[in-house]
Amino acid sequence: EVQLVQSGAEAKKPGESLKISCKGSALSFIPYWVAWVRQMPGKGLEWMGIIYPGDSETRYSPSFQGQVTISADKSISTAYLQWSSLKASDTAIYYCARGGYSGNVRGAFDMWGQGTMVTVSS
Amino acid sequence: QSVLTQPPSASGTPGQRVTISCSGSSSNIGSNFVNWYQQLPGTAPKLLLSSNSPRPSGVPDRFSDSKSGTSASLAISGLQSEDEADYYCAAWDDSLNGWVFGGGTKLTVL
Repeated sequence: EVQLVQSGAEAKKPGESLKISCKGSALSFIPYWVAWVRQMPGKGLEWMGIIYPGDSETRYSPSFQGQVTISADKSISTAYLQWSSLKASDTAIYYCARGGYSGNVRGAFDMWGQGTMVTVSS
Repeated sequence: QSVLTQPPSASGTPGQRVTISCSGSSSNIGSNFVNWYQQLPGTAPKLLLSSNSPRPSGVPDRFSDSKSGTSASLAISGLQSEDEADYYCAAWDDSLNGWVFGGGTKLTVL
């Protein structure tokens, strides 16, 4: 079955670093854009950014530019979302989602990971 | 505050038809396709409808979408209890050069 599998829940302290992952199968991952979406507790969906694993071209939402780093390793069909210094306000569920094929950055998110809960608390 | 505007809530009784609106601007809905996502309680969102691709497998034809100018709508006919969920619209925004979501609409089946 084609799916995106995310890394498990994380509990961190403010100021700590974190990298979470999203793994797909080669055929369902590398030729597609992969987006990251945040959902804060009880709130809606927010697009954070998107990467094309084939060449690592990345685009960020202005709200998240400089706050997180999105990367990918196409050799293992995995995308990453990374923080260098977490804040309590980063507490949320983070979803990865498969986007458009090849050059189509505007393709719909047709496959979603199960989500990774990140809790940041002192 | 979300770039796309949706009503925070909607409701209906089983069998009714309900619509959820999504209002944007010329840089997003006015010039790009609109996608609708359904998020059942405690689960990840899933693609419900996209005006740029075929209906996803398993999505009943009770769900339909439309767009006019800078607004879009999702319609659900023959409402069922299993339709109780949060619904989000999304579109590419040419000015932001990225995706924007609506704030979401919580649908309650009475």
